[in-house]
Amino acid sequence: GENVEQHPSTLSVQEGDSAVIKCTYSDSASNYFPWYKQELGKRPQLIIDIRSNVGEKKDQRIAVTLNKTAKHFSLHITETQPEDSAVYFCAASKSGSGGGADGLTFGKGTHLIIQP
Amino acid sequence: EAQVTQNPRYLITVTGKKLTVTCSQNMNHEYMSWYRQDPGLGLRQIYYSMNVEVTDKGDVPEGYKVSRKEKRNFPLILESPSPNQTSLYFCASSLSNRGGNTIYFGEGSWLTVV
Repeated sequence: GENVEQHPSTLSVQEGDSAVIKCTYSDSASNYFPWYKQELGKRPQLIIDIRSNVGEKKDQRIAVTLNKTAKHFSLHITETQPEDSAVYFCAASKSGSGGGADGLTFGKGTHLIIQP
Repeated sequence: EAQVTQNPRYLITVTGKKLTVTCSQNMNHEYMSWYRQDPGLGLRQIYYSMNVEVTDKGDVPEGYKVSRKEKRNFPLILESPSPNQTSLYFCASSLSNRGGNTIYFGEGSWLTVV
């Protein structure tokens, strides 16, 4: 099955600086890569996603890049703010075919700390 | 409002006492699943359901059961809970599991087994 590795497990950056979180995946058939943000005690919330026919996607201060050849994708947050402090999860999945077990496989998460 | 609702949100129970965590979605989603979240291990899938009466094991199904008798409901059953099932549980749903549909999570259920 799919295996998703996420690094680093903890990332501390100064407010205003950029943060980058990286993930690798093992299944070359995976074609959907969402990122979730989870604030303390709350549910994961989708913040951005990318599909395999796109190399980069941007939404204001957040961007995701995908390298299918190398099987890795990254989350970039620019001009970080205190409210960006949270745990971020990457995930990978592939389109179902014949009703297969193609749910999301999550990375173990990155605790992003924004230092004032 | 589109939502996934779980109950109970918080529960402390004793080893061996059967319990059920309910999950309901109002979006007519086909795909529903349960995850558990543990420190350092991220989110791991317990069971999932592709549609009514269609369920299958995820990565960590041991000690759990599910049922999908109606499209909107997907309860998680712990027949004989043990302390290693102390965890934060999330129910999730999406339109289907094909094509990268957005997954919506419930608010989570904190379960402690003593």
